[in-house]
Amino acid sequence: AQTVTQSQPEMSVQEAETVTLSCTYDTSENNYYLFWYKQPPSRQMILVIRQEAYKQQNATENRFSVNFQKAAKSFSLKISDSQLGDTAMYFCAFMSTTSGTYKYIFGTGTRLKVLA
Amino acid sequence: GAGVSQSPSNKVTEKGKDVELRCDPISGHTALYWYRQSLGQGLEFLIYFQGNSAPDKSGLPSDRFSAERTGGSVSTLTIQRTQQEDSAVYLCASSPSYHSYNEQFFGPGTRLTVL
Repeated sequence: AQTVTQSQPEMSVQEAETVTLSCTYDTSENNYYLFWYKQPPSRQMILVIRQEAYKQQNATENRFSVNFQKAAKSFSLKISDSQLGDTAMYFCAFMSTTSGTYKYIFGTGTRLKVLA
Repeated sequence: GAGVSQSPSNKVTEKGKDVELRCDPISGHTALYWYRQSLGQGLEFLIYFQGNSAPDKSGLPSDRFSAERTGGSVSTLTIQRTQQEDSAVYLCASSPSYHSYNEQFFGPGTRLTVL
C-alpha cells in the first residue's frame, strides 16, 4: 500500500523568505501523480501544485515550485517570497493511476506560519 | 459557477443518534469523494462515486457508515448510531471525471462533534 510521510508537523518562516516543506512517499508504481494542497483556517482545501511522475521537469506555479526526486521518492514544496496569506496547513498527496479510483492518499500535514 | 458546498457546516449530536451530511458537487462533475479529517487519523479516504455508483467503499470505517448519490449530483453520507470517535471534519470533493489528471475540488467540510 502507498504511504505518504510529512516529517515536519510545524514550520515557521519570515515574510518574504523562502521555505521548503518535505514529503516522501512509498509506492511500487512507476506512474502516478503527486499534489500539494493548502488548507487555510477556513478549511477549504486548495490545490497548490501537481506533478506527474513521468515528467522529469519540476512543476512551478508562480512562487511555488517542487523538487521531485523520483528515485528517492521525495516531493518537496518550495515557497518563495513567503506571504502572510501562505499561513495554512499544507498536505502532500499521492494518487495512483492503477487503482481505478483516483483517490488521494494524504500525508499528515505541515502547519506553516508566516511571520510578519 | 459555484464550488462544492456542504451542509451543515457544523453538527453537534449525541452519542447513538444518526446524522446525515450533505454534499453538492460542482455541476457536471461526475466523480465525487468523501474524506474524513481527524486529529488522530489525519485525512483519510472514505468512499468514491462515479456517477451514482460507488466502485470504491474501502475507506468506510464500519457498517454504521453509508453513502449514496442521486442523479449524479448530490451525495449524502449517513452515520448511524454515532460514536465519539466519529467526531471529525468530513470533506467532500468532486472532479470532472475519474481521470487521475483532474484536480479534486473540495468543499469547506462539515465539522461533526459527537458528545
